[in-house]
Amino acid sequence: EADIYQTPRYLVIGTGKKITLECSQTMGHDKMYWYQQDPGMELHLIHYSYGVNSTEKGDLSSESTVSRIRTEHFPLTLESARPSHTSQYLCASSGQYSNQPQHFGDGTRLSIL
Amino acid sequence: AQSVAQPEDQVNVAEGNPLTVKCTYSVSGNPYLFWYVQYPNRGLQFLLKYITGDNLVKGSYGFEAEFNKSQTSFHLKKPSALVSDSALYFCAVIKAAGNKLTFGGGTRVLVKP
Repeated sequence: EADIYQTPRYLVIGTGKKITLECSQTMGHDKMYWYQQDPGMELHLIHYSYGVNSTEKGDLSSESTVSRIRTEHFPLTLESARPSHTSQYLCASSGQYSNQPQHFGDGTRLSIL
Repeated sequence: AQSVAQPEDQVNVAEGNPLTVKCTYSVSGNPYLFWYVQYPNRGLQFLLKYITGDNLVKGSYGFEAEFNKSQTSFHLKKPSALVSDSALYFCAVIKAAGNKLTFGGGTRVLVKP
């Protein structure tokens, strides 16, 4: 089993709240990713990082922000949650080479009321 | 640009019968190909990958996949499906030495007893 952890697993919260989704990995991976997963299954890359102090936006525009101050930690923040942010958020990490698989956390299911 | 197509949203199979999940890809250059499985309320789990060499790749839980360069396909197979194989399956591709992994839309597999 890969050592990548996401908290909380489930979060139900009201509109306008600030939210931080936590993601930590103990594998020493340089690369980390955030995906948003639709109820219809498809994965959308929203942020990625190739190392400390490196963050980039992904394919799907997102109002969330990320930071990478430590190798093992890649939190995602929503400054003011809206119902449109309701989704499943998956964090992943991988080694530096493109032939290495990504390892996923179990996700955070976020519901904004 | 690179892309992955999983033409079947759902595959139904009886327990004990062979299981095939289809995947075709488009990428410039040599591809690295991956299969992942997602069980309910879990993240994606790596099953197998093709990097180079033998076109038939064996992975976890009795799954295998065949790389076909001329047909740009990487179909996932299992000779005898189990009810516990019921899950979502994702195919993914990255260009050799590339930076971005592209996922297919996913295929739901339902194995009936």
